[in-house]
Amino acid sequence: DARVTQTPRHKVTEMGQEVTMRCQPILGHNTVFWYRQTMMQGLELLAYFRNRAPLDDSGMPKDRFSAEMPDATLATLKIQPSEPRDSAVYFCASGLGGQVKETQYFGPGTRLLVL
Amino acid sequence: AQSVTQLGSHVSVSEGALVLLRCNYSSSVPPYLFWYVQYPNQGLQLLLKYTSAATLVKGINGFEAEFKKSETSFHLTKPSAHMSDAAEYFCAVSATGGKLIFGQGTELSVKP
Repeated sequence: DARVTQTPRHKVTEMGQEVTMRCQPILGHNTVFWYRQTMMQGLELLAYFRNRAPLDDSGMPKDRFSAEMPDATLATLKIQPSEPRDSAVYFCASGLGGQVKETQYFGPGTRLLVL
Repeated sequence: AQSVTQLGSHVSVSEGALVLLRCNYSSSVPPYLFWYVQYPNQGLQLLLKYTSAATLVKGINGFEAEFKKSETSFHLTKPSAHMSDAAEYFCAVSATGGKLIFGQGTELSVKP
């Protein structure tokens, strides 16, 4: 049963620290999405990649967030420096093809708390 | 630009009762619509999706949704609620590049 995996599942850190979240997409999937879920904003897209190339990162605060895909099996989302308002659940999702009707498969999320 | 509105942030039904979760969309192009379910402390799981093949879409766990263009709606229904259906449900529309635009979610509670 192929699944998207995310690490860590939980992260507690102090303001100003660097946070790195990792995602392993389903093998063979060529599109990776990063979403953030908060009570106030709901689910919002931060960035997404196709064939490892960033296509849209307009949802990310550019000064502190960065997203990369070092290879086809790993996507990373970094926050440096972290702030309390970054506390949220961060989801990675992967898909095949990137067409508008394709299903996205979500990972279990990384629950981040910045103190 | 596409958008989705879910009417009712919280819906409560009795076990065995009809479940109806409302979703209205706005799209300048023919939409592709999705319903996802999120159980506590888990990721999102696809329930069903509309991709223009049929207006009545059947999904997992007995759920179905009907696409009504005239009403710009894609409401989710289940004839008989089960305790295990308690979760948060998200309606979403697919935008350029396949990214999803989500509604605010509806939390479903099921009373015994």
